[in-house]
Amino acid sequence: GAVVSQHPSWVICKSGTSVKIECRSLDFQATTMFWYRQFPKQSLMLMATSNEGSKATYEQGVEKDKFLINHASLTLSTLTVTSAHPEDSSFYICSASEGSDTEAFFGQGTRLTVV
Amino acid sequence: GQNIDQPTEMTATEGAIVQINCTYQTSGFNGLFWYQQHAGEAPTFLSYNVLDGLEEKGRFSSFLSRSKGYSYLLLKELQMKDSASYLCAVLDSNYQLIWGAGTKLIIKP
Repeated sequence: GAVVSQHPSWVICKSGTSVKIECRSLDFQATTMFWYRQFPKQSLMLMATSNEGSKATYEQGVEKDKFLINHASLTLSTLTVTSAHPEDSSFYICSASEGSDTEAFFGQGTRLTVV
Repeated sequence: GQNIDQPTEMTATEGAIVQINCTYQTSGFNGLFWYQQHAGEAPTFLSYNVLDGLEEKGRFSSFLSRSKGYSYLLLKELQMKDSASYLCAVLDSNYQLIWGAGTKLIIKP
């Protein structure tokens, strides 16, 4: 299957700082990228959907000013957690697809710990 | 509202067969996915069904009945490494993925 690379795999940051997570599609052009968050023992929660070249669509309850998503190219999307707080500690996963009706491939996930 | 139901946890024996069911009620349907997720890792793709019937891929098979809003994932010749959570997800009419809560599968020797 297609490869989606997510970086970093884990990060520890101080409260109040910002963290950027990258999601790259290595061997295909990702028209659509999805960002998820997963709390322990819970299912994935979609945070936002981004289409290349346009603003991301955020799910209800997700603060767009706190979770900045950029999808400037067909192979790269970034999620920036701004002014991180301990409650933002979670597992963040991206997935990418060539189109809205095609299979989505997942990145490895990023475990964020805010201290 | 949109809803996907699957059992919270199942236990099976190494070498046996297990069937994980998933029922869904969504606004529109554009396919159903099964993913496997080991603890602390991202989900990995197992199968995609958009037409009724059974799709077989090695030890794993997935079945879909659109009229019943029902799917199952069948795992044969279970191995210890199959211990994981199995997530059912439906692509709705807006091409959004609606996720089930996942079924934790425990394999015993």
